[in-house]
Amino acid sequence: AIRMTQSPSSLSASIGDRVTVTCRASQGVSSYLAWYQQKPGKAPQLLIYAASTLQSGVPSRFSGSGSGTDFTLTISCLQSDDFATYFCQQYYNYPRTFGQGTRVEMK
Amino acid sequence: QVQLQQWGAGLLKPSETLSLACAVYGGSFSGYYWTWIRQPPGKGLEWIGEINHSGDTNYNPSLKSRVTISVDTSKNQFFLSLRSVTAADTAAYYCARPTSGSGSPITTWGQGALVTVSS
Repeated sequence: AIRMTQSPSSLSASIGDRVTVTCRASQGVSSYLAWYQQKPGKAPQLLIYAASTLQSGVPSRFSGSGSGTDFTLTISCLQSDDFATYFCQQYYNYPRTFGQGTRVEMK
Repeated sequence: QVQLQQWGAGLLKPSETLSLACAVYGGSFSGYYWTWIRQPPGKGLEWIGEINHSGDTNYNPSLKSRVTISVDTSKNQFFLSLRSVTAADTAAYYCARPTSGSGSPITTWGQGALVTVSS
């Protein structure tokens, strides 16, 4: 199975900050990489797919980049609604695998 | 717009079988791989497996020996069965649907069902 490793596991940030989360795959996944946001007690919601394509309805302050094994999720100007946990997922091959998550907390 | 509604027993004893169902409302049932994902409390997401309307399945090798995913196309429902559960199977279980086909991200999720395994 492809192992997805996110860093950091958690971070503290303030409203207006630029936040970056990284995801590394143990082998290449081309651009078959998605980012999800999850809030407590809720199902994850898709933010970005194909590594850099913004899902419909997702604010433009979210962006993604990378291909192969190294990927980045960036929130350009953190808003109060963005405090949540973020997961990456590869859908390049089976089994589909997720990163362990990055919790974004208020500083 | 497609919606997923799931249900099933929430409390099991070790060695019992977990059974969950997921109904699909709106949209087409064919052309998609209907998926199960779980999340232990406070932990990350684990992909369990998927099935299409024809009954073709893909399973996570870590669970394959204990898992069966099935489908009832007449009712637009799909099901998860996990045998011989232990405390390690305690998790929120989600049914889900990728955007299109199998090689695509998850865009639609059920509400989730917490299943607790305890003696």
